[in-house]
Amino acid sequence: GEDVEQSLFLSVREGDSSVINCTYTDSSSTYLYWYKQEPGAGLQLLTYIFSNMDMKQDQRLTVLLNKKDKHLSLRIADTQTGDSAIYFCAESVSGGYNKLIFGAGTRLAVHP
Amino acid sequence: GAGVSQSPSNKVTEKGKDVELRCDPISGHTALYWYRQSLGQGLEFLIYFQGNSAPDKSGLPSDRFSAERTGGSVSTLTIQRTQQEDSAVYLCASSSGAAGWSYNEQFFGPGTRLTVL
Repeated sequence: GEDVEQSLFLSVREGDSSVINCTYTDSSSTYLYWYKQEPGAGLQLLTYIFSNMDMKQDQRLTVLLNKKDKHLSLRIADTQTGDSAIYFCAESVSGGYNKLIFGAGTRLAVHP
Repeated sequence: GAGVSQSPSNKVTEKGKDVELRCDPISGHTALYWYRQSLGQGLEFLIYFQGNSAPDKSGLPSDRFSAERTGGSVSTLTIQRTQQEDSAVYLCASSSGAAGWSYNEQFFGPGTRLTVL
């Protein structure tokens, strides 16, 4: 069945790079997404990647996609305290519309 | 330019009572989704509405859960005879509803935190 897995927690020092990893199961996924959830807030789309791409860069964010291994990662360069949040990986699944399957989320803690 | 809104923001109820959660999508968005986020869990898909098509109810966990979308806009998620395991944050999202595989961002509301005592 459809499943998305992420590590649950990551702690980094301010200024370092953060790498959040995700694995998914649906090989037919066309888009993969990273969402950010700050405390008490809804989910905010950070970035997405089309499945025929290997990499996408957007300012401090770099998304890498290994379609063979069904592995997705999000790298945040120069991590700041404002990046502390829960990051959700999601895949779109077959069905003709944009149904998303989410991972459990990775809590990123940034410390001085 | 309002985003997706949900009400109430918090709801505390007693086991066995019915609750209604409301979602106002972004104006013009034809697609609407409900998700549930339990403590420490990812988002669990519940139901999807697209225009006048029959909704995809495949994620509803039991027949105590139902949802309506009136006039293609506002949606109400109803949970009958609530149980303690229904306690979660219920999130609504809407999107423009572009057909097929085109990129179609979902915009999320702030959620309703439901606590069943």
